[in-house]
Amino acid sequence: DAGVIQSPRHEVTEMGQEVTLRCKPISGHNSLFWYRQTMMRGLELLIYFNNNVPIDDSGMPEDRFSAKMPNASFSTLKIQPSEPRDSAVYFCASSLQAGDNEQFFGPGTRLTVL
Amino acid sequence: GENVEQHPSTLSVQEGDSAVIKCTYSDSASNYFPWYKQELGKRPQLIIDIRSNVGEKKDQRIAVTLNKTAKHFSLHITETQPEDSAVYFCAASPTGTASKLTFGTGTRLQVTL
Repeated sequence: DAGVIQSPRHEVTEMGQEVTLRCKPISGHNSLFWYRQTMMRGLELLIYFNNNVPIDDSGMPEDRFSAKMPNASFSTLKIQPSEPRDSAVYFCASSLQAGDNEQFFGPGTRLTVL
Repeated sequence: GENVEQHPSTLSVQEGDSAVIKCTYSDSASNYFPWYKQELGKRPQLIIDIRSNVGEKKDQRIAVTLNKTAKHFSLHITETQPEDSAVYFCAASPTGTASKLTFGTGTRLQVTL
């Protein structure tokens, strides 16, 4: 298995533009997590899914952020409109189940909003 | 919800010395405690985990201890090597398929020659 796949690896965009980050979890994993990492705030959980259903989106910072998981092998995190303070590394992770199971992280998407 | 505190935020040790990182948690329902290592520019990766039915777990130079009464757990790295230099995150989670990991703020470990 190739592990968790994220695209793009780097994204540079201008303030106000829409940004879509993509994630393919490990086949057979039932839980998917979106994290944001910055120097100031560390590793923050934005939202997670169990069996394609959003369980907890309390970490989503604003209505500008939305996430979907239309099927077991694909998820998107969208920011519309983007702002400079959204600049961060966004990680997707998957696990067999949520809770007490190892999470496997993707390589991350480094987002820069100018 | 769960709150995980991690100390110290930075730690510098000489090669061959031991390093200890400590975490406390608030939710008594938590019973799974993993540790992740993140090298510069890379993704976090699990290095060791412990569950509440165990007080200590070892894997070569790495060990984790858990005190459920005091709600704290620690990572111990012995005979540190330069490749141990990284950011280490502790985390806590209750059991259950709908539960989530809460991460600490990370410890930057620097192993000097």
